[in-house]
Amino acid sequence: QAGLTQPPSVSKGLGQTATLTCTGNSNNVGNQGAGWLQQHQGHPPKLLWSNNYNRPSGISERFSASRSGNTASLTITGLQPEDEADYYCSAWDSSLSARVFGGGTKLTVL
Amino acid sequence: EVQLVQSGGGLVQPGGSLRLSCEASGFTVSRYWMTWVRQAPGKGLEWVATIQLDGSEENYVDSVKGRFTISRDNAKNSLHLQMNSLRVEDTAVYYCARENWSPDYWGQGSLVTISS
Repeated sequence: QAGLTQPPSVSKGLGQTATLTCTGNSNNVGNQGAGWLQQHQGHPPKLLWSNNYNRPSGISERFSASRSGNTASLTITGLQPEDEADYYCSAWDSSLSARVFGGGTKLTVL
Repeated sequence: EVQLVQSGGGLVQPGGSLRLSCEASGFTVSRYWMTWVRQAPGKGLEWVATIQLDGSEENYVDSVKGRFTISRDNAKNSLHLQMNSLRVEDTAVYYCARENWSPDYWGQGSLVTISS
């Protein structure tokens, strides 16, 4: 099953804004949007943004997401050292009847 | 408080079997789609299987079809993954997750190692 496309790495400075992208197709991202997950080394993923356009309770307002066509984006403002992690997008593919993930973006905060 | 506590996992020889369990608290598993996701060492997340409401439909990644079975035990409010004919390439940390538009709560992970 084909996955979603994410850039492997993004580097930004402390306090800056990072925008991570995720490209799919009309059967997944373009259909129901994408959710975004954060994973620190050795820990389970944590949902930052649900594809029903909701930020789960307890997630900082510095995290926001949007979608344009088949591309979803996660924006992180005021970057902090603890934001350094791997970020994954995910969507349900209605054609494959499968959940698809992006390959992940490693965010480095300089 | 929603929690998913996993058990099972371990070291198994190729061709062997394992059963992973995921006990839920704070919600009722029968009211949600539930999913298993795995992560091979140093790799990204890979979806494995999802069971839809009332177990009406099960979906699997092609590489595990016919070998893995996802199920839920409503009486014990738990989710299971029966893994048969295991291969070296199935080595990974396996996570259970609740589906709520997106996978919103995750278990702590179970390490499955397939090696002779």
